[in-house]
Amino acid sequence: GAVVSQHPSRVICKSGTSVKIECRSLDFQATTMFWYRQFPKQSLMLMATSNEGSKATYEQGVEKDKFLINHASLTLSTLTVTSAHPEDSSFYICSARPPRRGVGTQYFGPGTRLLVL
Amino acid sequence: KNEVEQSPQNLTAQEGEFITINCSYSVGISALHWLQQHPGGGIVSLFMLSSGKKKHGRLIATINIQEKHSSLHITASHPRDSAVYICAVPGGGGADGLTFGKGTHLIIQP
Repeated sequence: GAVVSQHPSRVICKSGTSVKIECRSLDFQATTMFWYRQFPKQSLMLMATSNEGSKATYEQGVEKDKFLINHASLTLSTLTVTSAHPEDSSFYICSARPPRRGVGTQYFGPGTRLLVL
Repeated sequence: KNEVEQSPQNLTAQEGEFITINCSYSVGISALHWLQQHPGGGIVSLFMLSSGKKKHGRLIATINIQEKHSSLHITASHPRDSAVYICAVPGGGGADGLTFGKGTHLIIQP
């Protein structure tokens, strides 16, 4: 149980295009989903927290107009990188938390590697 | 804010050796995660634990809540265990997301 999927696993796009990454909780409902990113040779860092039916909360330094997050259902959150640039090339990973579970309880997707040319 | 320290940063060992990776954190937590990341980036969640010990195959994770410390052990290590191992804990200070260690880069030589 507690499986989280991400799609796509890898994506290569041209500079200026938009890329959408999907995060799905397959066998549980997730009231909260998290988006993290990892630049080369760095730690994973929280980008934003997404609650179903409300606006996402972004961490300092993360542009909300560039990284659009939609959590329209209890099993799906999407991250759209708008007008992607090479510096957005990174590893993006989501996690999902079932309702009424502690802060530390999160189930991870496998991640999406984005390369912007 | 929770500070996470992992040690060692790099570890090279021979096949069959017993491996220990350590993780310390500064703020009390409800759960700690151990993740595995292979070259190419894909993340595999190994353990989520809040007390005691968990075992899965050749992997064992322990946590000491009082000492704010966790260890990941690999018994009978194999070259396919070569990966980066990352621990993660709640960020603390009311933050909802996790804070990650810098990872331990493990290489198991045949």
